Amino acid sequence: DIQMTQSPSSLSASVGDRVTITCRASQGISNYLAWYQQKPGKVPKLLIYAASTLQSGVPSRFSGSGSGTDFTLTISSLQPEDVATYYCQKCNSAPYTFGQGTKLEIK
Amino acid sequence: EVQLVESGGGLVQPGGSLRLSCAASGFTFSSYWMHWVRQAPGKGLVWVSRITSDGSSTTYADSVKGRFTISRDNAKNTLYLQMNSLRAEDTAVYYCARVNGPLDYWGQGTLVTVSS
Repeated sequence: DIQMTQSPSSLSASVGDRVTITCRASQGISNYLAWYQQKPGKVPKLLIYAASTLQSGVPSRFSGSGSGTDFTLTISSLQPEDVATYYCQKCNSAPYTFGQGTKLEIK
Repeated sequence: EVQLVESGGGLVQPGGSLRLSCAASGFTFSSYWMHWVRQAPGKGLVWVSRITSDGSSTTYADSVKGRFTISRDNAKNTLYLQMNSLRAEDTAVYYCARVNGPLDYWGQGTLVTVSS
């Protein structure tokens, strides 16, 4: 099975910082990669799909890139409301594995 | 408005069974694949199972294979997860989610606690 590994596991940054989270697949998955945001006590929310397509309604400061095995989620200017745990997920075939999550906090 | 509402969670003893339901509304349920995803307290998201739109194909995570069964009733716009031989490690919030490429809509989740 393909494993999904996120880094870092946790991250602390200041408001206005550029933040990058990485997701690596153990085998190539083309662009079948989604990113989700889960705020404390809330339901996961889809941010990006097909590696780089922004879901409707998601602020443009979020962006995604990558293909094959290496993917990144970037927040161009961190806002207080971005405090959350972020997960990547492979979407092409079972098992639809999630990364272990990256917890993002404000410094 | 798309809505997914899970129910059926609760406290069950190890070895017991539980059936979760996910009532869908606001979209043509019979046209979409559906997933179950779980999250143990304080832990990350774990994919559990997927079913195709007509119910003809299902797949499971190794950790639940042979114990859990996903099914759907398109006439009732409802997704199910039958959970048997429950273990302490199955304790989690269980979410149903709609497939539209990725998982674009999620329910609020239902908590399953397996404990004696």
